[in-house]
Amino acid sequence: DAGVIQSPRHEVTEMGQEVTLRCKPISGHDYLFWYRQTMMRGLELLIYFNNNVPIDDSGMPEDRFSAKMPNASFSTLKIQPSEPRDSAVYFCASSLAGTANTEAFFGQGTRLTVV
Amino acid sequence: AQSVTQLGSHVSVSEGALVLLRCNYSSSVPPYLFWYVQYPNQGLQLLLKYTSAATLVKGINGFEAEFKKSETSFHLTKPSAHMSDAAEYFCAVSGDDYKLSFGAGTTVTVRA
Repeated sequence: DAGVIQSPRHEVTEMGQEVTLRCKPISGHDYLFWYRQTMMRGLELLIYFNNNVPIDDSGMPEDRFSAKMPNASFSTLKIQPSEPRDSAVYFCASSLAGTANTEAFFGQGTRLTVV
Repeated sequence: AQSVTQLGSHVSVSEGALVLLRCNYSSSVPPYLFWYVQYPNQGLQLLLKYTSAATLVKGINGFEAEFKKSETSFHLTKPSAHMSDAAEYFCAVSGDDYKLSFGAGTTVTVRA
C-alpha cells in the first residue's frame, strides 16, 4: 500500500484565494483525520470522519475552513478565503476501526504558505 | 477529556548516551497511549503504543516506553542514541472516541 497520500506537497497562494488540500487514505481505513501543525500551536486536530461522516469538527478554526469526504477514498480540506495566519503544515491521517489504540497513519503533509 | 504533557521541548544527548523523553497523561479512564516520531519535512511515524498487555512496550529503532499508572507517565527511552535519532518526538493519547491528541513535542539533537 502506498500509504496516506496528500496533494499538493507544497502550496503557495495569495491572501484571499481559495485553497484545496487533498487526501487519499489507506484503503479500508474507517477513520480520517485532518491536523494542522504550526510552531506556535503544535499539532491540532481540525476534524475527523468515520465512514465518510464528520464526527467532530470542533477544531476547525473558522467558517473559512470546510472539509468533505465524498467517498471512502478521498477527502478535501478547503480554505476560502485564505489568510496569512493559515500558513502551516496540514496533515491527513487514517486509521482502521477496531480498538481506540489502533495507530493512525500519516501522510507527508501539505505545506501551505499564504502571502 | 484525555491530554498529554511532554516535559522539555528540547533534549540534547551525546551519541551513545541514554535518551529519555518524558510524557505524562491525564485521563479519567485507562488511556490509549502512543509515541510518534517526525523527521524533518516528513509525516509522523508510529514508534510504539501501549496496549495494556504489558507495562513495558518495545518499539522500532530500539525505543521503549514504560507505562506507570501510579505516576500517570509513559516515558520514552533508548539506551544508546544514534545520530539518526535526531527528530521531533510526540506523545499522544486517544480515547474511545478515537480522537488522537498530541503533546507539544520534544526535539532531540544528537551530538557526535
